[in-house]
Amino acid sequence: GAVVSQHPSRVICKSGTSVKIECRSLDFQATTMFWYRQFPKQSLMLMATSNEGSKATYEQGVEKDKFLINHASLTLSTLTVTSAHPEDSSFYICSAIRTGGSNSPLHFGNGTRLTVT
Amino acid sequence: GQQLNQSPQSMFIQEGEDVSMNCTSSSIFNTWLWYKQDPGEGPVLLIALYKAGELTSNGRLTAQFGITRKDSFLNISASIPSDVGIYFCAVRGNTGNQFYFGTGTSLTVIP
Repeated sequence: GAVVSQHPSRVICKSGTSVKIECRSLDFQATTMFWYRQFPKQSLMLMATSNEGSKATYEQGVEKDKFLINHASLTLSTLTVTSAHPEDSSFYICSAIRTGGSNSPLHFGNGTRLTVT
Repeated sequence: GQQLNQSPQSMFIQEGEDVSMNCTSSSIFNTWLWYKQDPGEGPVLLIALYKAGELTSNGRLTAQFGITRKDSFLNISASIPSDVGIYFCAVRGNTGNQFYFGTGTSLTVIP
């Protein structure tokens, strides 16, 4: 169990357009999900914590108006990169924690490779 | 945020050799996790440790939760080419839903 599905796996878009990335917990409920960005050969950089039914908590330096997060259900969080620019090109990964598990580990999606041209 | 020191940063080994990597922290944590990330994919949970001193195996992988709760190691025995990837340690914060990650160990297995 504990499968997290992230879609799309790859997306290429033109500068100025918006891109939506979905993260679904397939076999468990996730009150809390996380969005990470990863640069080549580096560790995971937390962007924001997504909480079901409430506003996301953004890390310092992450523009909330540029990276819109919606967590409308216990199994789905979305990240929308608005007015994308080439510098937004990166590998974005979501993760989820099983609701109610105080020691539950994180389970990750397969990531989304975003390329902005 | 919390800092996890993970070493070594990279390893190049011959197929069949054993591998060891470790992770240390200046703070105490009650949950230690080890993940593997293949290129272009998300990290996959390998082993979760919840009790100080605990030694847990998953196939050829063995991980231990240090008795001081400030460190953990991961061993891979008899490495094979598909072990190639980046291994991350992680801890769960003691309050709330924070997770902190090590900088990763890049493993290359030479056939």
